Amino acid sequence: DAKTTQPPSMDCAEGRAANLPCNHSTISGNEYVYWYRQIHSQGPQYIIHGLKNNETNEMASLIITEDRKSSTLILPHATLRDTAVYYCIVRVDYTGKLIFGQGTTLQVKP
Amino acid sequence: DGGITQSPKYLFRKEGQNVTLSCEQNLNHDAMYWYRQDPGQGLRLIYYSQIVNDFQKGDIAEGYSVSREKKESFPLTVTSAQKNPTAFYLCASSPLGLAGEEDTQYFGPGTRLTVL
Repeated sequence: DAKTTQPPSMDCAEGRAANLPCNHSTISGNEYVYWYRQIHSQGPQYIIHGLKNNETNEMASLIITEDRKSSTLILPHATLRDTAVYYCIVRVDYTGKLIFGQGTTLQVKP
Repeated sequence: DGGITQSPKYLFRKEGQNVTLSCEQNLNHDAMYWYRQDPGQGLRLIYYSQIVNDFQKGDIAEGYSVSREKKESFPLTVTSAQKNPTAFYLCASSPLGLAGEEDTQYFGPGTRLTVL
C-alpha cells in the first residue's frame, strides 16, 4: 500500500506557481521523500527528493514540514509541458522499492 | 548520451509465446529494477537486482523471469505463464540500491506489450 496521500487532480494557470501537496504521516526517520512525474506513455521522470530540509533544483522546490508528515512540491512557473501525473513517494524496505500511489494529475491551462 | 534504453517501444505477441524485453543502462549503476504499469494505475515491482549475477523477486514476479549477467543489462522475459501480460513495462536503475540510503532511481522510456 502507498504510504502517501495526494489529491487526485489539480489545475494551474500557465506561468503561475503550481503547489502540489502530499501527506506521508507514517514516514520513518530515515525515509526520503521522492517526487516523480509521468507524462502519458513515457517513463517516470525524477524531479527532486529530500529528507528533512527544503530542497531546490532547476526543476522544482520541495518543502518538507518540520514534523516530516507532509510536503509540497512547487513548480515556480508552470508551463503547458508540465501537464503530467505527479507522484510523491516514500522509499520503503530493503529492496529500495518505490511504492507508487495514484498520484496527482496536474493540468496546466493557458 | 548517458541513460537507460528499452527496446522495443511497442511489442505485440501472440498468446502462449514468451517474449523478452531489453533494458540497457550506461550510467554505471549497480541496481536495476523492472516495474509493470496497468492503465490508470501506479507502478508495481516485478524483479530487482542490486548486483551482477543476483536478483530478487518483487511483488508480482509470477510469470516473469530475469537475468543479470552484465552490469549494464537486465532483460525481462514475459512467459506464457503470465496470465495478463498486456501492460506498460518500465525499467529503472539506481547507483546504490541500498534501502535507507539516498539512492535515486531513473527510468527508461518503457515498452508497451500487447498480447493478441
